[in-house]
Amino acid sequence: DQQVKQNSPSLSVQEGRISILNCDYTNSMFDYFLWYKKYPAEGPTFLISISSIKDKNEDGRFTVFLNKSAKHLSLHIVPSQPGDSAVYFCAAITSGTYKYIFGTGTRLKVLA
Amino acid sequence: NAGVTQTPKFQVLKTGQSMTLQCAQDMNHNSMYWYRQDPGMGLRLIYYSASEGTTDKGEVPNGYNVSRLNKREFSLRLESAAPSQTSVYFCASNRQSTNEKLFFGSGTQLSVL
Repeated sequence: DQQVKQNSPSLSVQEGRISILNCDYTNSMFDYFLWYKKYPAEGPTFLISISSIKDKNEDGRFTVFLNKSAKHLSLHIVPSQPGDSAVYFCAAITSGTYKYIFGTGTRLKVLA
Repeated sequence: NAGVTQTPKFQVLKTGQSMTLQCAQDMNHNSMYWYRQDPGMGLRLIYYSASEGTTDKGEVPNGYNVSRLNKREFSLRLESAAPSQTSVYFCASNRQSTNEKLFFGSGTQLSVL
């Protein structure tokens, strides 16, 4: 049972344009969400997070939006750069637990 | 500034062999985790240790054992490796177990023939 889903395995975007990566979850108890970026042969690195008490969080070029009623979050990257080409994972957790549940990942390719 | 260190980086085993994957963090973190990454499956939690002296099962614990040796070190053992355990294994840690980002190691690529 996949509690966190990333339905787009891959995405290609032109340099300078917006990249939008999507993530859906089924467990309404999740109240904290994170995005990670992963380059080949490296471990995932943290990008940005959001608590369920917010619907938006920004950090530079990265913005995460949370729609609790739809159980959906998205990561916007503006403007996209070739160095953003990587696999992006969303993750979710319920406060007070220890199980960070990850999605299957979306491979982003930013074309120069 | 090492962060989370995993050894070995690569390993090839024959079916039935045993091995231990090592993980150490130098950030004085309380919680440590083991994940595996498989194509199309994302990252799945194998075991975690909320604090020194405690361990708990994650989503896919079968075929694995763990030891939280001390606050710094958290090892993952395969007692009798199977081809289904071919994967990339990641260790992670954070200061407290919940609502805080995880710091990941660079991974161990394991092949079981």
